[in-house]
Amino acid sequence: DTAVSQTPKYLVTQMGNDKSIKCEQNLGHDTMYWYKQDSKKFLKIMFSYNNKELIINETVPNRFSPKSPDKAHLNLHINSLELGDSAVYFCASSRGQGARNSPLHFGNGTRLTVT
Amino acid sequence: QKEVEQDPGPLSVPEGAIVSLNCTYSNSAFQYFMWYRQYSRKGPELLMYTYSSGNKEDGRFTAQVDKSSKYISLFIRDSQPSDSATYLCAMRDAGGRRALTFGSGTRLQVQP
Repeated sequence: DTAVSQTPKYLVTQMGNDKSIKCEQNLGHDTMYWYKQDSKKFLKIMFSYNNKELIINETVPNRFSPKSPDKAHLNLHINSLELGDSAVYFCASSRGQGARNSPLHFGNGTRLTVT
Repeated sequence: QKEVEQDPGPLSVPEGAIVSLNCTYSNSAFQYFMWYRQYSRKGPELLMYTYSSGNKEDGRFTAQVDKSSKYISLFIRDSQPSDSATYLCAMRDAGGRRALTFGSGTRLQVQP
């Protein structure tokens, strides 16, 4: 049973295109996240949703728009893709936000390559 | 300067060695400290979780936090080839409004 699942696993596309990545969790968590991992393995938070409400929005270009239709899903839509968007995008979920014992559970990532 | 600094490695050790992985941080508000392990082409998975200063042991793994020095460590005893992965430290403040802040990860290779 996959706890946090992302689709697609790989995404190769050309500059200027629009693409979406989907994420679903079956852990019953109420907080979901998108992280970006660059080629040097540095994980950086992009967005966080709690009960479908946006609670964290780091300095991410407006071309990135998250959407949370319900607590179990958090999708990421990217407009006008650029070369610098190439990275691995991880979805994660946790129970609550900032609760004392609420570690993040990560999906296996979506490897985006923009050519 | 990044909030969390971690040597990227790679760190190569023989099987059975004791491994020491470290992170330093600058934000004194951090209270919760975690270590994640990430295998190639996989998402990070939680390995150890500690609150404030002190030690925590779980099998072959020991996590140490020294808040006075803003320094955390992960020790792996009797290292195995299956321990070969990237180890990321992560931390958050007590308020919890911010998401976890990660180090950039240390790549560990345990040679059989």
